[in-house]
Amino acid sequence: GAGVSQSPSNKVTEKGKDVELRCDPISGHTALYWYRQSLGQGLEFLIYFQGNSAPDKSGLPSDRFSAERTGGSVSTLTIQRTQQEDSAVYLCASSYGAISSNQPQHFGDGTRLSIL
Amino acid sequence: LAKTTQPISMDSYEGQEVNITCSHNNIATNDYITWYQQFPSQGPRFIIQGYKTKVTNEVASLFIPADRKSSTLSLPRVSLSDTAVYYCLVDLWGQNFVFGPGTRLSVLP
Repeated sequence: GAGVSQSPSNKVTEKGKDVELRCDPISGHTALYWYRQSLGQGLEFLIYFQGNSAPDKSGLPSDRFSAERTGGSVSTLTIQRTQQEDSAVYLCASSYGAISSNQPQHFGDGTRLSIL
Repeated sequence: LAKTTQPISMDSYEGQEVNITCSHNNIATNDYITWYQQFPSQGPRFIIQGYKTKVTNEVASLFIPADRKSSTLSLPRVSLSDTAVYYCLVDLWGQNFVFGPGTRLSVLP
């Protein structure tokens, strides 16, 4: 079946521009997660959604970052006024059932964001 | 918040068994332990998950001692295609998901 899909796969933009990253989770998965991965580093957790709700936004690096999810499906991560330190791979994952059910996460292949 | 510690890198040869140990000293009662594999330019992929004792699937085994303060991922008879980064994740009921730097496994011919 279809996995988690992220778009675009690559994005190059100039410093100061806004970018929007999209994640299409696996159909039926109610939990959705965003991570950031810098080159050669581990995954940095950003935010998760249970349905359309994001109970805790404290993982977002700054107020330039925002995320939303509509219809319990597609999610977008928006970065305003991008900075060079925002350059990284942004990964999305989804899982079946409630967050507390310990269901494994299924990852997309990420969006590679480069800020010039 | 449960923190995990793993070796940064390991080398092995084709056909050998590889064991990667993860320490999670302050694991909570309700936490599960999950291992993921990541190849370059791809997202992590689920390998195995366990709560206690031993879990085995077609890919790997996971050994968890009684105190649950560590866990060991065992990959039988590795091949070159098992070269990847392996992450140990301790789930904290969705309150946060902290992936450490992982273990970079290099399988040599």
